[in-house]
Amino acid sequence: EPEVTQTPSHQVTQMGQEVILRCVPISNHLYFYWYRQILGQKVEFLVSFYNNEISEKSEIFDDQFSVERPDGSNFTLKIRSTKLEDSAMYFCASSVREDRGEVDGYTFGSGTRLTVV
Amino acid sequence: GQNIDQPTEMTATEGAIVQINCTYQTSGFNGLFWYQQHAGEAPTFLSYNVLDGLEEKGRFSSFLSRSKGYSYLLLKELQMKDSASYLCAGRSNDYKLSFGAGTTVTVRA
Repeated sequence: EPEVTQTPSHQVTQMGQEVILRCVPISNHLYFYWYRQILGQKVEFLVSFYNNEISEKSEIFDDQFSVERPDGSNFTLKIRSTKLEDSAMYFCASSVREDRGEVDGYTFGSGTRLTVV
Repeated sequence: GQNIDQPTEMTATEGAIVQINCTYQTSGFNGLFWYQQHAGEAPTFLSYNVLDGLEEKGRFSSFLSRSKGYSYLLLKELQMKDSASYLCAGRSNDYKLSFGAGTTVTVRA
């Protein structure tokens, strides 16, 4: 079964450092997303990406965050200057969405646990 | 945006049935999803409703009433491995998912 792959699985970084989280979406999917989940809290939408541009972003996704699709397979989330409160599990997801009758929603990656110290 | 409410936790016995309710308030509703999440892992898709009624998938069923802004997930013949968090998520017309805080289900022997 096709998978969304995320690397690394764990990342520890010092406050103020830049981090890049990487994702390889499912190959025929066209829409890509980042979500995050702070420990013990709900999954929160960060950003959606289609046709090489951001289609929607949440209030969380401020100027410290950016996304990129540098080639045909990777989708990255960059946090420019990490803060302690950025510590969370970050999930990448992708979907087809060509057919609005699609019933199985998103496919989530296994996540990157980011710890800012 | 969407506001999703679901109970915090539920406990049931192995072999029993549990029903997890979810209410939502949304602008531009485009489907209601249920995901299962084990601690430290990614959400995995369970079911999806966009029209009113019951969708059955093996031991799991999900129901939707759009007029009431209400859904439930029914887990039958509970197994120990069903102990997890169950996430209700509403999809809006922009295909963004808004998640509830999740319901932690504990299955006891």
